[in-house]
Amino acid sequence: GAGVSQSPSNKVTEKGKDVELRCDPISGHTALYWYRQSLGQGLEFLIYFQGNSAPDKSGLPSDRFSAERTGGSVSTLTIQRTQQEDSAVYLCASSLTGNTIYFGEGSWLTVV
Amino acid sequence: AQSVTQPDIHITVSEGASLELRCNYSYGATPYLFWYVQSPGQGLQLLLKYFSGDTLVQGIKGFEAEFKRSQSSFNLRKPSVHWSDAAEYFCAVGLIIQGAQKLVFGQGTRLTINP
Repeated sequence: GAGVSQSPSNKVTEKGKDVELRCDPISGHTALYWYRQSLGQGLEFLIYFQGNSAPDKSGLPSDRFSAERTGGSVSTLTIQRTQQEDSAVYLCASSLTGNTIYFGEGSWLTVV
Repeated sequence: AQSVTQPDIHITVSEGASLELRCNYSYGATPYLFWYVQSPGQGLQLLLKYFSGDTLVQGIKGFEAEFKRSQSSFNLRKPSVHWSDAAEYFCAVGLIIQGAQKLVFGQGTRLTINP
C-alpha cells in the first residue's frame, strides 16, 4: 500500500491477556519503528529495526513487551499479560535509512 | 540529554487569525527537525522538516517553520488558520544514534479554532 498499515485499529482486551499488534511498513523502507502514545507520557520510542541488524530495544518498558520483524518487512509487537497501564495508542512508522519517518494511524489498545 | 519543549499545551485562536506554535530543543549538534500533526483518532502526519540549508521551510497546508540556531528554536507558523487546522501538533528532533535515526518528541500543543 501507499502508507504504513496497522492492525487492528482498535483492540479491547482483558487484563492479563496477550495481544499482538501488526505493522506493514511502506514498501522498500528498511527502517521500522514502534512508538507508544499515552496520556501523560506523550510519544515514547519503543523499538527500532534496521535491515538485518539487531533491533534497538532500548525503549521497551518491560520484558512483557517484544517485537519481531519477519523478512525485513512486516512487524508484530506483542504485549504479554497486559496491564491497564498498557492502554495507549501504538504507532508504527517506517523510513529509508536516515530519512523522513512516516507513521501509520495507530492501534488503539484498551485494557479493561 | 536531548529534549524537545513545546511550552504551550493548549492554544485557542480565531479562524482567520495568524498562528505560531513554539518549539525549543536541546541538542549538541544541528539536529533534523520535524513538525507532525495529529487529528483526533488519526496517526501522525508530517507537516514539514528541516535537514539543512534554508532555515525557513515550507510545508503542507500552508504551514512554515523557521530554524533559529541561536535560539535553539523551530517555531511553526501559519498566516491564517482554518477550522480544519484544529488538531494536536508535535515538534520532534531526529537524532542519529549508532546509525539509527530516532525521533524525540515534544509533549504536543493542542490547537482549538474558534469560529
